[in-house]
Amino acid sequence: EIVLTQSPATLSLSPGERATLSCRASQSLSGYLAWYQQKPGQAPRLLIFDTSNRATGIPARFSGSGSGTDFTLTISSLEPEDFAVYYCQQRSNWPPALTFGGGTKVEIK
Amino acid sequence: QLQLQESGPGLVKPSETLSLTCTVSGGSISSSSYFWGWIRQPPGKGLEWIGIINYSGSTYYNPSLKSRVTVSVDTSRNQFSLKLSSVTAADTAVYYCMRHIPHIDYFDYWGQGTLVTVSS
Repeated sequence: EIVLTQSPATLSLSPGERATLSCRASQSLSGYLAWYQQKPGQAPRLLIFDTSNRATGIPARFSGSGSGTDFTLTISSLEPEDFAVYYCQQRSNWPPALTFGGGTKVEIK
Repeated sequence: QLQLQESGPGLVKPSETLSLTCTVSGGSISSSSYFWGWIRQPPGKGLEWIGIINYSGSTYYNPSLKSRVTVSVDTSRNQFSLKLSSVTAADTAVYYCMRHIPHIDYFDYWGQGTLVTVSS
């Protein structure tokens, strides 16, 4: 089973600052990684798929990069609505399993 | 606009079977372009993929839950369902239904989620 480790667990930043979130896999993902945003009491929302492709309607301030086992989600300038928990998800060894990382909480400093 | 809505009991006794239904509106579950499935999230914790099904009944399950999970589809009602048997307190979670995009294998539409508590 591929394990995804996200860091840091919590990121404390101010609006307007740049956020850099990391997702590290236990083996190569061949670029098959997605990012989701989850706000309190809401379902997750797909942001990025296959490392760097923005989903429909996602603002350009969200970008993804990486390769092999190391991936990054960058929010270029935090808006108030961006403070949330972010999860990475891999599909590299699908089927049979689709797995998520443990999440990074981006909170207001 | 596609919408998904979970329904079912919010409380299940240990050792019994958890049953949830997801009703899809604004689109047809019979589309061959998508799978439909379930993800859960224990309170304060991360996300766990449970399983998916397509309109013809083809299924994929999380290996860690496979022995207890059944996902089924009812195209006449535009619904799909989850059954999880022999539940324990560890199965307490918010259960989300979602749409799975095949070939890129990500989830683009989600229900609002429903909390299921396992307790006697």
